Amino acid sequence: AQTVTQSQPEMSVQEAETVTLSCTYDTSENNYYLFWYKQPPSRQMILVIRQEAYKQQNATENRFSVNFQKAAKSFSLKISDSQLGDTAMYFCAFMNLYSGAGSYQLTFGKGTKLSVIP
Amino acid sequence: GAVVSQHPSRVICKSGTSVKIECRSLDFQATTMFWYRQFPKQSLMLMATSNEGSKATYEQGVEKDKFLINHASLTLSTLTVTSAHPEDSSFYICSATLAGGVTDTQYFGPGTRLTVL
Repeated sequence: AQTVTQSQPEMSVQEAETVTLSCTYDTSENNYYLFWYKQPPSRQMILVIRQEAYKQQNATENRFSVNFQKAAKSFSLKISDSQLGDTAMYFCAFMNLYSGAGSYQLTFGKGTKLSVIP
Repeated sequence: GAVVSQHPSRVICKSGTSVKIECRSLDFQATTMFWYRQFPKQSLMLMATSNEGSKATYEQGVEKDKFLINHASLTLSTLTVTSAHPEDSSFYICSATLAGGVTDTQYFGPGTRLTVL
């Protein structure tokens, strides 16, 4: 079974600054995807960024980028130029891509509550 | 595109009654729908995976007779909490993957808050 660990229950950052959220995972599989989801107070889950394990290049989406270290099984999220609207819970998630039971299921970490301070 | 709705958004019921929650993919057909449960200040826990026309696959520890899942069409899955009790109070979230598309992307509904008195 896969596990996803987010070691920072809460973090805060000043508006316009940069913050990095950490995530580590454990798997014996080689073919998988990693995700960061955002859950604002509305509780709607929003996909922030996705990384395919076979890609060496780190994914980026505007102000959001990841540092994917496959050997270390680490997948951190960097938010640049933090905005008040970034205040939310952030969940790291793992998805296996093998065929069979459990494939394409998401395993979530416990989340990091990010507060952006004006 | 790829919008998932849930109905109702909030429901309060008495202990012992049953509650049905609907999950609809509004602008796409969903091969697979997932049901999650989220307790306050906790992460999402997968309850079951449902494929259209097939029986749902439940995660370990989830009672299939208590949480009935029906996925009768490519756009609708329902979760029925039978004989609900206060410990079933939680936030229930569904997600759906695109039929014929990239199955690695799950589109989430806005969730349903269930309160059992």
